[in-house]
Amino acid sequence: ETGVTQTPRHLVMGMTNKKSLKCEQHLGHNAMYWYKQSAKKPLELMFVYSLEERVENNSVPSRFSPECPNSSHLFLHLHTLQPEDSALYLCASSQDRVSYGYTFGSGTRLTVV
Amino acid sequence: QKEVEQDPGPLSVPEGAIVSLNCTYSNSAFQYFMWYRQYSRKGPELLMYTYSSGNKEDGRFTAQVDKSSKYISLFIRDSQPSDSATYLCAMSGYKLSFGAGTTVTVRA
Repeated sequence: ETGVTQTPRHLVMGMTNKKSLKCEQHLGHNAMYWYKQSAKKPLELMFVYSLEERVENNSVPSRFSPECPNSSHLFLHLHTLQPEDSALYLCASSQDRVSYGYTFGSGTRLTVV
Repeated sequence: QKEVEQDPGPLSVPEGAIVSLNCTYSNSAFQYFMWYRQYSRKGPELLMYTYSSGNKEDGRFTAQVDKSSKYISLFIRDSQPSDSATYLCAMSGYKLSFGAGTTVTVRA
C-alpha cells in the first residue's frame, strides 16, 4: 500500500446525493492535490493545497468542494453531480509545491447515475 | 494544441520485445520530465525522472529527453507480462502536466 490512502475505492451516487471523498497521506508531505482521470484523457488537476492553504483551483464547478483540515488529510465534497462527472478521482501529495515526484493514492472510482 | 501529446495506444507486444513509448510537448519552460506507471485499479507511480536533455537508464528502463525537438521517450527492454500497465508521461515547469497515457500489454 502506498503512503496515500483514499476512501472509498468505489462510489455510486445519484445526482441529488451529497458524498465526500477522503484522502490521507502518511509521508509528511506539505502539498496535496485532487486530480480527475477520465478514459483517454490526461489527468486533470482540480485543486492544490500547500501547507493547508488552497493555492490553485482550476475552474472546477462549484459542485466540487475541497477541504484540507490539516496537512495529512484532504477531502472532496460532492453534491448535485452530473453523469459526466463519473471518473477516477486521484489524490496525490508531494514534499512541496514545486517537487516533481508525486505520490498518488489508488483513487476513488465514482459513478454518477 | 495540447500541452502534452501522447498516443493512447493500445500497444501489444510479445514477451521479450522492446517497448517504445513517446510524448511530444509544446511548452519550452518544462524542465523535469517524468514517466509514471499505472496498473489497473491503482494510482500512478513514479517510474523515472530526468532533468534536461539526455539519457537515463534504470535496469530495463531507459528514458530519453530531446529538448530541442520537445520529444521524450521511454524504452523497456526485455519486456515482461508484469510490465503490462498504462504509462503516463509528465512534465514539470511551474506545475505538472500529464499526457493521456499509453496502455501497454505484454503477451506471455
